[in-house]
Amino acid sequence: IAGITQAPTSQILAAGRRMTLRCTQDMRHNAMYWYRQDLGLGLRLIHYSNTAGTTGKGEVPDGYSVSRANTDDFPLTLASAVPSQTSVYFCASSEASGSLNEQFFGPGTRLTVL
Amino acid sequence: AQKVTQAQTEISVVEKEDVTLDCVYETRDTTYYLFWYKQPPSGELVFLIRRNSFDEQNEISGRYSWNFQKSTSSFNFTITASQVVDSAVYFCALSGNTGGFKTIFGAGTRLFVKA
Repeated sequence: IAGITQAPTSQILAAGRRMTLRCTQDMRHNAMYWYRQDLGLGLRLIHYSNTAGTTGKGEVPDGYSVSRANTDDFPLTLASAVPSQTSVYFCASSEASGSLNEQFFGPGTRLTVL
Repeated sequence: AQKVTQAQTEISVVEKEDVTLDCVYETRDTTYYLFWYKQPPSGELVFLIRRNSFDEQNEISGRYSWNFQKSTSSFNFTITASQVVDSAVYFCALSGNTGGFKTIFGAGTRLFVKA
C-alpha cells in the first residue's frame, strides 16, 4: 500500500534517553517533513528535506536532528529527550518542495517523555 | 511573517446543520497557496483542497465548499448538511515564497457533529 509509514506508533521514554522516530515513504517524493502537533498550537515544522542528501531547519528544530540518506527514509532523532518533547510527531512528504504541493502524512507517533 | 489564524477552537453542531470553519491568513507574498486538511479521529491528516492566490473562484466538492476572499485574507470552509463522519479536526495552511515554501498551519478547529 503506497504511503508513509512511521514507527513506533507510540513510545514512553525516560528523560535523557536517545530516541529515533522512523519514517519511510514509497511514493518517491522528493520532499519530506517532520512536524510536532501540540494542543492549541497546530502543527509546527521541526525539520525538512527538499531532496535526498539535504536537510533544513523548521520552526522548532532545537533538540532534534534528521538525516536523508536516500529518497525513502527520513528519521528524526532526539539526542537527549526532555519532557517538553512530549507530543505527537507526524512525518509528511510532497512530490516537490514548492509551495503548491500538498503534503501526504503518516499516521503519527505519540511520544511521552517522563 | 506568515501566519494562519483559526479563531474557532471547537464547534459543535447537530447532524444536517451547515457549518463554516473560518481561516484568516497573513502573508506578504504575492504568490501563495492555501490548503485545508482534515484530521479524523484516526489521526492521519488528509489533504482536502489547495487554492492559489490568483484564483479567487469559490469551489464546491459535494457537501464541501470553500470561499476565498483576498480582500479579507480569508479562506473559509463550509460543510453543508453535516454528517457524523465529518467530525474531525480541520487545519487551514499557507505556503508561499517567504520562508522557502515551508507550510504554516493554523491551530486547527475541532468539529463535533452529533447525531
